[in-house]
Amino acid sequence: EIVMTQSPATLSVSPGERATLSCRASQSVSSNLAWYQQKPGQAPRFLIYGASSRATGIPARFSGSGSGTEFTLTISSLQSEDFAVYYCQQYNDWPQWTFGQGTKVEIK
Amino acid sequence: EVQLVESGGGLVQPGGSLRLSCAASGFTFNTYGMNWVRQPPGKGLEWVSYISHTGTATHYADSVKGRFTISRDNAKNSLYLQMSSLRDEDTAVYYCARALRDGYDAWGQGTLVTVSS
Repeated sequence: EIVMTQSPATLSVSPGERATLSCRASQSVSSNLAWYQQKPGQAPRFLIYGASSRATGIPARFSGSGSGTEFTLTISSLQSEDFAVYYCQQYNDWPQWTFGQGTKVEIK
Repeated sequence: EVQLVESGGGLVQPGGSLRLSCAASGFTFNTYGMNWVRQPPGKGLEWVSYISHTGTATHYADSVKGRFTISRDNAKNSLYLQMSSLRDEDTAVYYCARALRDGYDAWGQGTLVTVSS
């Protein structure tokens, strides 16, 4: 099983600032990586696929990068609605697509 | 609009059984693989099971293999998860999720399963 490790566990950011979230895979997943956003009491929302492509309707302030084992999700200017938990997921090892443990982005 | 609506969750005793359902609408259900993903209270996401668009291929996480069975009825646009021999650690919100080649692009609102005596 490919283990996904996210850091930090919690990120405190002021509105309007940049947030940078990291995700590391225990072995190469090429660019087969997705990101999701989850707000309290809601289902996850599909943000990024292919490590860097935005899903339909996702604002341009969300960007992804990386390949192999190291990946980054960047939110360029945090809006109030962006405070949430973010999960990375590898889909290289089908069908056991594993998730990271999540990074909570909170208001500083 | 794509919609996935889960139902069937509730309180069940350890060793008991429960059947979850997911009603799909707004898309051609029989052309998509589907998944169940769960989330224990306050914790992260865990893939549980996958079924192909025809229902002929199924896969399970090791943690549920032999105890859970995924199925679908394309005529009814519905996905199911039959859960048996339930354990405390199966307590979670269970989501159905539509599978693309590169991620889960649509999720239901989830249904809570609580395993407790």
